[in-house]
Amino acid sequence: QKEVEQDPGPLSVPEGAIVSLNCTYSNSAFQYFMWYRQYSRKGPELLMYTYSSGNKEDGRFTAQVDKSSKYISLFIRDSQPSDSATYLCAMVYLSGDKVIFGPGTSLSVIP
Amino acid sequence: DAGVTQSPTHLIKTRGQHVTLRCSPISGHKSVSWYQQVLGQGPQFIFQYYEKEERGRGNFPDRFSARQFPNYSSELNVNALLLGDSALYLCASSPNPPTQAFFGQGTRLTVV
Repeated sequence: QKEVEQDPGPLSVPEGAIVSLNCTYSNSAFQYFMWYRQYSRKGPELLMYTYSSGNKEDGRFTAQVDKSSKYISLFIRDSQPSDSATYLCAMVYLSGDKVIFGPGTSLSVIP
Repeated sequence: DAGVTQSPTHLIKTRGQHVTLRCSPISGHKSVSWYQQVLGQGPQFIFQYYEKEERGRGNFPDRFSARQFPNYSSELNVNALLLGDSALYLCASSPNPPTQAFFGQGTRLTVV
């Protein structure tokens, strides 16, 4: 079993839709959770960072963490064509010595 | 303020050769990590350095090595290149682990 699982998609939605992206993990030692957006042939761009269960909101983005279920989500409201990219979840152990990424979900927002 | 910079952006090497990739972190960041990203997959952790010491190592062979300099910049070295080493190599910096990491644009390595 992989440490971090993520539906690779591709996911296609109409402009203005609410997008839900999800990751599950198997190791309860993960304490820090991040979401990155990666455009083709570019480095990942940090979108959200959180370390506690619950919701964290930043503009159109909401990150949700449920440590008891080992499940994290990223919600994108009022999706735009510019949101079309690959979304990567990432997790860090309390020791902070490495970051584990999910395989990424490819998202297309259709105008 | 400049972000994470990596050089070169692209390079092509022949099997068996050696390669050195370079990374300059964001000013004030003391931690640098290296990742390998194969097309269609998420980045795979290779190394983390903090205050010039190795803090973590991923599941990569000894052909991969790295170091961090007093100015916190870093080099990733790969010896005896294999075709399978072709990938995007990403460097990320953070103020101190385990806070959020900021990535450079990567070096695309092609081994032929």
